[in-house]
Amino acid sequence: QQQVKQSPQSLIVQKGGISIINCAYENTAFDYFPWYQQFPGKGPALLIAIRPDVSEKKEGRFTISFNKSAKQFSLHIMDSQPGDSATYFCAAIGGSTGNQFYFGTGTSLTVIP
Amino acid sequence: NAGVMQNPRHLVRRRGQEARLRCSPMKGHSHVYWYRQLPEEGLKFMVYLQKENIIDESGMPKERFSAEFPKEGPSILRIQQVVRGDSAAYFCASSPERGGRGIQYFGAGTRLSVL
Repeated sequence: QQQVKQSPQSLIVQKGGISIINCAYENTAFDYFPWYQQFPGKGPALLIAIRPDVSEKKEGRFTISFNKSAKQFSLHIMDSQPGDSATYFCAAIGGSTGNQFYFGTGTSLTVIP
Repeated sequence: NAGVMQNPRHLVRRRGQEARLRCSPMKGHSHVYWYRQLPEEGLKFMVYLQKENIIDESGMPKERFSAEFPKEGPSILRIQQVVRGDSAAYFCASSPERGGRGIQYFGAGTRLSVL
């Protein structure tokens, strides 16, 4: 059972465009939602994170939008650059034990020049 | 200030052998998480350890898999009698905070291939 559902599986965006990746969750016990960026052959690296009491968080070109009632959150990458080409994972922390960590299945982003 | 160190980076085992994966957390971090990543899939939580304690092992297969984080030395993920289905990338992450609500720093992973 996939605790966090992520879409799309892959995304191609022109340089300068907006990349949007969506995630949805079911368990209302999740209380922390990070996004990770992973380059080939590397481990994931934290990009940006949000708590459910905030509807939006922006850091540079990266923005998380959070809809608590719909149990959805999304990552927006503004002015996408070829260097942003990577796999992006959303995640949710919390769950029944309070310390479980669930990842989405990932989105492979390709930004073409 | 070294990051999370995992070794080996690549490990090849034949079916039935044992695999030992090591993870040295970042300096000052006392919480370690292990994840498995299969091709085309996200990371699956396996186990969360603090020094000398297993906090949450709800993601670990019941048989053949074990993990430890001794008082001294790296955390070890051990897979006994490996099968082809164990082939995957195994990532370790460390955190200075309980519960993972802080930042988790990931290592580069160990890619296990079972022949």
